Amino acid sequence: DSGVTQTPKHLITATGQRVTLRCSPRSGDLSVYWYQQSLDQGLQFLIQYYNGEERAKGNILERFSAQQFPDLHSELNLSSLELGDSALYFCASSWTGSDGDTQYFGPGTRLTVL
Amino acid sequence: EDQVTQSPEALRLQEGESSSLNCSYTVSGLRGLFWYRQDPGKGPEFLFTLYSAGEEKEKERLKATLTKKESFLHITAPKPEDSATYLCAVQPANRDDKIIFGKGTRLHILP
Repeated sequence: DSGVTQTPKHLITATGQRVTLRCSPRSGDLSVYWYQQSLDQGLQFLIQYYNGEERAKGNILERFSAQQFPDLHSELNLSSLELGDSALYFCASSWTGSDGDTQYFGPGTRLTVL
Repeated sequence: EDQVTQSPEALRLQEGESSSLNCSYTVSGLRGLFWYRQDPGKGPEFLFTLYSAGEEKEKERLKATLTKKESFLHITAPKPEDSATYLCAVQPANRDDKIIFGKGTRLHILP
């Protein structure tokens, strides 16, 4: 158990809908990362937050957004969902988010868009 | 362009048959290289972080090594429970913003 929690574990929804994925980092970690993993793409970095502020953006679509709250939990919002958004979404956390700091991953949310 | 390539894509070994997984990278300066283990449908589980060429780390049957261009994950006398996908990731020195993952090596240990 990494100490990172994610809810829900599974999510099934329809095209065009909007969903919110939630992540709680390990106790003491200030940085949260979001990743998407699909069968053919591997792990793709989406976005990073550090102590409530956006720190870095990766391959995140405009239909996706995220935020980190004062209690350090984070939410990833996915809107206007398409079939191709079906994937595993992972959250990871680290202490400082820099200098090769190790990221610890949560169990993931499996999103299925029908 | 920063890149991480893992080989082989898949590997089948008999229990007790030692082998090595390769991770080659091209980045303009390395801040850190990471190895993770991932079981199907689960989140990656952290194994090792390596920071500089020549560094080695060990954990049970696994040993990770690092050179200026690649890293190896050596597995000694593997057991069926070592079956998983092993992911390599690098954090470039000039990029605060992300870690680049390889596509992984699917390891299957036959009893």
